[in-house]
Parts: sequence; C-alpha cells; structure tokens
Amino acid sequence: NAGVMQNPRHLVRRRGQEARLRCSPMKGHSHVYWYRQLPEEGLKFMVYLQKENIIDESGMPKERFSAEFPKEGPSILRIQQVVRGDSAAYFCASTHQIGQGDYEQYFGPGTRLTVT
Amino acid sequence: GQQVMQIPQYQHVQEGEDFTTYCNSSTTLSNIQWYKQRPGGHPVFLIQLVKSGEVKKQKRLTFQFGEAKKNSSLHITATQTTDVGTYFCAGGAYAGGTSYGKLTFGQGTILTVHP
Repeated sequence: NAGVMQNPRHLVRRRGQEARLRCSPMKGHSHVYWYRQLPEEGLKFMVYLQKENIIDESGMPKERFSAEFPKEGPSILRIQQVVRGDSAAYFCASTHQIGQGDYEQYFGPGTRLTVT
Repeated sequence: GQQVMQIPQYQHVQEGEDFTTYCNSSTTLSNIQWYKQRPGGHPVFLIQLVKSGEVKKQKRLTFQFGEAKKNSSLHITATQTTDVGTYFCAGGAYAGGTSYGKLTFGQGTILTVHP
C-alpha cells in the first residue's frame, strides 16, 4: 500500500531554468496539497487541487508558479525561471476527501530544490 | 487571512522532563490537527481535535482544544530521545459554515531532548 510519492527527491537547477516537481497521491485520494518549507520554518500552503480542478491557489505566487492535477497521472508543481529564493523543500500531501470537512493529510517525502 | 501562531519556536529539554507547545489562532477553528516531523523527514499526522474543550491522549502525549476553539496545546510527559522533532499544529477554517479541507500550519516547535 504505497504512500504519497514525490519525485525527484532532490533537484538542482541553475537560475533561469524550470523545475518540475511530481506528486502521486495515495491510492484512492483525489485531493492534493502543495506546501513549501524553508529550513527550520513552518509549512507554507501553496495550492489545493482536486482532479482537474484548482480549489485554492491563494498561497502560490502569481508569477512563475503553476500547478495541475490531471485526470490521469501525478500532480505537477512547475516553477519557471527559478531564482535562488525558490530553494526550499516542497511537500505534497493528499487526503481522501469526502464532502466538507478536514481530513488527515498524508505527506510525501518532499522534493529538496536547490537553485545555484 | 487566518493566522496560526505557535510557541515556543525552540525547546531544549533533558530526557525525562515535560514539554508543552501552544497554538493560537486569530479566528475560530473548525478543527485542529497536530503533526510531527522528524529531522530530515516529512510531517506525520498525530491527531485531530474537533470539539470545543476536547482532550485526547496518546500514551505520553496529551492534546487539548480550547473552549473557544481558538487555541490548542500538546503536552509530552517525561520526554524521550525518540520525541525529538518539530511539532506542528494546523487549523482548519470555516468557509460558509463548514470547513473545506485547507489547513493553516503554525510555525512549529523544534524539540531537542538531551539524554
């Protein structure tokens, strides 16, 4: 029973390149969240997606960042033209959301992005 | 927007001492969840509190949700080295009378335990 999977686990990009982070939720989960974490800091909400829908993207920068969760395949967080300030750990989490309410979030191992 | 503040940011204790972290929200919460993140790891769900004044226990861990549903605490009795990590609270907001799945995380309390 695989948990939430993220890849790559570590990603190094030069300034100006694109970073593409993938997240496969737990089997049966249709809701995905993306968070960003700087060293010794909390988890900053970025975006909340359901299959083929963005529910809430209030935490995501308006420029350079985008996210999707297609009908088939993993959720993708895309960062274009990366800058050094984008270096962080990016976690995704999934829930088995049934209607309204908050459910336990299952986190993936994270992708550590380093921008050189 | 909703803010969730957590204190202290760091706590160093001797093994066997107790530990408490506190969480305060600027708005009434629909529920609060607690997560633990080991160094280099990812957050792992510990518990969810939903009712006003609710208290739940997991072995040496005691979780409380305030009467006004705006604050919460996690207390660990007689800490062990395995308790090392960062403890996060996460609050669910009301939207149109109910919550809808988005959590706001506190900054976390980093616990170190000296043997």
